[in-house]
Amino acid sequence: GAVVSQHPSRVICKSGTSVKIECRSLDFQATTMFWYRQFPKKSLMLMATSNEGSKATYEQGVEKDKFLINHASLTLSTLTVTSAHPEDSSFYICSARAPVGQETQYFGPGTRLLVL
Amino acid sequence: KQEVTQIPAALSVPEGENLVLNCSFTDSAIYNLQWFRQDPGKGLTSLLLIQSSQREQTSGRLNASLDKSSGRSTLYIAASQPGDSATYLCAVRGASKIIFGSGTRLSIRP
Repeated sequence: GAVVSQHPSRVICKSGTSVKIECRSLDFQATTMFWYRQFPKKSLMLMATSNEGSKATYEQGVEKDKFLINHASLTLSTLTVTSAHPEDSSFYICSARAPVGQETQYFGPGTRLLVL
Repeated sequence: KQEVTQIPAALSVPEGENLVLNCSFTDSAIYNLQWFRQDPGKGLTSLLLIQSSQREQTSGRLNASLDKSSGRSTLYIAASQPGDSATYLCAVRGASKIIFGSGTRLSIRP
């Protein structure tokens, strides 16, 4: 099946710094990628939908200036957590939608962010 | 607005038992439903994907069913093993997004 990678897999940073997480579709082009957030023992919550070449669509309650999303190419989307705070510590997972005509989303392995 | 509910939230059974995990959703207009497994601190492992036109999917000891009209899906695990211990999530795909259930934390006792 299709593979989606995320980098880094784990990151620890100081409060106030910015952290960038990459999501790549390795063997297919993804016009649409999604970013999810998961708090401990909670389910995944969709943060935003990332479309290549256009602005991301954020879910209600998600600060777009806090979580910057850039879908620079058909295989890469990045999520930047700006001025990170301890409450931003979470597990971030991306997914990529397969090419047109296929309805499957493929999920990345996730990135664990810990803000000290 | 689609809501996805999983019951029970946690389940502990002895090894070897067959078990059923439940997922319900409020909007029957779905494209597909997917069951995932998540181990602690890890990402998602896709188990089974059921298209809206399908009734069930099977993979090894796993069988997932879908009843769109009643808004229900079940994941049946046969002959459970300690290695099946994990959190199981169901996710419903609508027109534009996937909504996840809160998961069932499964523990198989040796």
